[in-house]
Amino acid sequence: EVQLVESGGGLVQPGRSLKLSCVASGFTFSNYGMNWIRQAPGKGLEWVAYISSGSSYIYYAETVKGRFTISRDNAKNTLYLQMTSLRSEDTALYYCARSAATDSGYFDYWGQGVMVTVSS
Amino acid sequence: DIHMTQNPVSLSAFIGDKVTITCRASQDISRYLGWYQQKQGQSPKFLMYYASNLLSGVPSRFSGSGSGTEYSLTITGIQPEDAATYFCQQCYSYPLTFGSGTKLEIK
Repeated sequence: EVQLVESGGGLVQPGRSLKLSCVASGFTFSNYGMNWIRQAPGKGLEWVAYISSGSSYIYYAETVKGRFTISRDNAKNTLYLQMTSLRSEDTALYYCARSAATDSGYFDYWGQGVMVTVSS
Repeated sequence: DIHMTQNPVSLSAFIGDKVTITCRASQDISRYLGWYQQKQGQSPKFLMYYASNLLSGVPSRFSGSGSGTEYSLTITGIQPEDAATYFCQQCYSYPLTFGSGTKLEIK
């Protein structure tokens, strides 16, 4: 069974940093691209970042480019999102999601999400 | 960036009704469109890819169609468990973008 478990969220002051993790199980992590997607309270879905299976290709939403860094450790089956210079508008539930197939932009499995609240 | 316009924002239906949700892309996305269902308090669930291909296990009452910039999700014979918010998503190009969602209420 595919499982994605996020952690690392919490309350953080504006301008500070936070690092999210997503531990994957139930599939060969190193074979799949991975994504972070967020959802502000009561709002829609916003794709944040993508990393290919071997970390060769990385893409970001313009809203986070230069502030967030996606990375992965295939030996640990773990995806990361380093968030810096956090803003109130980054407050959201952050989901880790698997890309459906090689070069696919669909998301076939999602974690339960981890909440990030940016507030003073 | 490709902007996805989804309509309606919300709708209400009786059990057994047929409903259609539309999604319009700001440019041709060549059917690179997916649909997701998000029930209250849950993570989104992947329903459909390439505009009309159902994932295994998704009930056949769900169907999708469209091409170019215009796409739709139809649910024929609404069931109580279909109460959810539905999102479309384009994967034609990065940044990947979602529609704003359609909340389906069952009367």
